[in-house]
Amino acid sequence: ELKVEQNPLFLSMQEGKNYTIYCNYSTTSDRLYWYRQDPGKSLESLFVLLSNGAVKQEGRLMASLDTKARLSTLHITAAVHDLSATYFCAGGPTGTASKLTFGTGTRLQVTL
Amino acid sequence: GAVVSQHPSRVICKSGTSVKIECRSLDFQATTMFWYRQFPKQSLMLMATSNEGSKATYEQGVEKDKFLINHASLTLSTLTVTSAHPEDSSFYICSARDRAGQTQYFGPGTRLLVL
Repeated sequence: ELKVEQNPLFLSMQEGKNYTIYCNYSTTSDRLYWYRQDPGKSLESLFVLLSNGAVKQEGRLMASLDTKARLSTLHITAAVHDLSATYFCAGGPTGTASKLTFGTGTRLQVTL
Repeated sequence: GAVVSQHPSRVICKSGTSVKIECRSLDFQATTMFWYRQFPKQSLMLMATSNEGSKATYEQGVEKDKFLINHASLTLSTLTVTSAHPEDSSFYICSARDRAGQTQYFGPGTRLLVL
């Protein structure tokens, strides 16, 4: 059974700073996703990572995947207040037709 | 991008009543939809996988008789919470998988409050 863990659970950072959220998973996963959730809202898809070494960037966010280490990272560059949200990673266990297991989530608070 | 809608967005009901939540894929066909629930400040937990034209697959610990799922068409899945109780109060989110199968698109969620 796939287990997905994120750390930290909560992150408070100042605007302009850089930081990384880590996502570890326990068994082989076909793919790794990153989602953003604003309070009271549903999930917004950020990245889909499908292969070892995959790196994707959108604005101040960059996600990478290391399947050998079973690790994905979400790097935040020069954070701005608008990035405040909860970020989830999710893995898809091999051969389970898109079933996703979500991580615990990282609540990011960017302060002025 | 693909759009998934849910209805209603918010519902308040009395204990013992049943509530139906609809999930629609608006601009694509979804042979598979997923139902999740999320408690405050917690992660999403998969409840069941809904397959068009066949029975849903429930995750361990989810009562299939309490959470009835029907996927009658390629664009509509419904979740009915039967005989709802206060502990069923939660945020219910559906998602739909596109044909390529690489991405799940999430609905806006339904907040259920059972009094």
